[in-house]
Amino acid sequence: QKEVEQDPGPLSVPEGAIVSLNCTYSNSAFQYFMWYRQYSRKGPELLMYTYSSGNKEDGRFTAQVDKSSKYISLFIRDSQPSDSATYLCAMRGGSGGYQKVTFGTGTKLQVIP
Amino acid sequence: NAGVTQTPKFQVLKTGQSMTLQCAQDMNHNSMYWYRQDPGMGLRLIYYSASEGTTDKGEVPNGYNVSRLNKREFSLRLESAAPSQTSVYFCASSEGWATPSNQPQHFGDGTRLSIL
Repeated sequence: QKEVEQDPGPLSVPEGAIVSLNCTYSNSAFQYFMWYRQYSRKGPELLMYTYSSGNKEDGRFTAQVDKSSKYISLFIRDSQPSDSATYLCAMRGGSGGYQKVTFGTGTKLQVIP
Repeated sequence: NAGVTQTPKFQVLKTGQSMTLQCAQDMNHNSMYWYRQDPGMGLRLIYYSASEGTTDKGEVPNGYNVSRLNKREFSLRLESAAPSQTSVYFCASSEGWATPSNQPQHFGDGTRLSIL
């Protein structure tokens, strides 16, 4: 079983819809939770990170962490065709120096105009 | 502002050949990383450099070596390429080791490497 599970999609939604992207994880030591966006044939870009449980909002994006359920979500409001990309969740935690970042395999999102 | 620059963008090698992937960042970041991305596997860390002068193994270091040439540059070398090393390679950087910045923040656009 992978430490981080993410539905690969693809997920197709009409423009303006609210998008919900999710990941589950098994390692209770994870404390930092990240979302990256990756356009086709480009490198990932860090969208948001949150520490521990709770919500964090940045413009049209909201990241949500539920540590009790080991479940994280990224919500995109008023989705735009420019949001079409693959979204990677990632997480890290533990004690000591370098905390390994574990990535999900990504969910491909297509926003239809 | 270029961010993280990787060269080359594409490369085809024969089994047993060697090559070096180059990476440079212009953001004065302390930490740099090399990842590979394979279908269904997610990004996996090959090597990282917490700061200039230090390098450490990640999850999948076998068959690779790295050099942190200076604060800006971090290269990845394949000494004897194997078909299993066919992948997309990404270099990344982050401000440094202090949380919450201890995760890759900026990625290059990747090197697509095929080993025949």
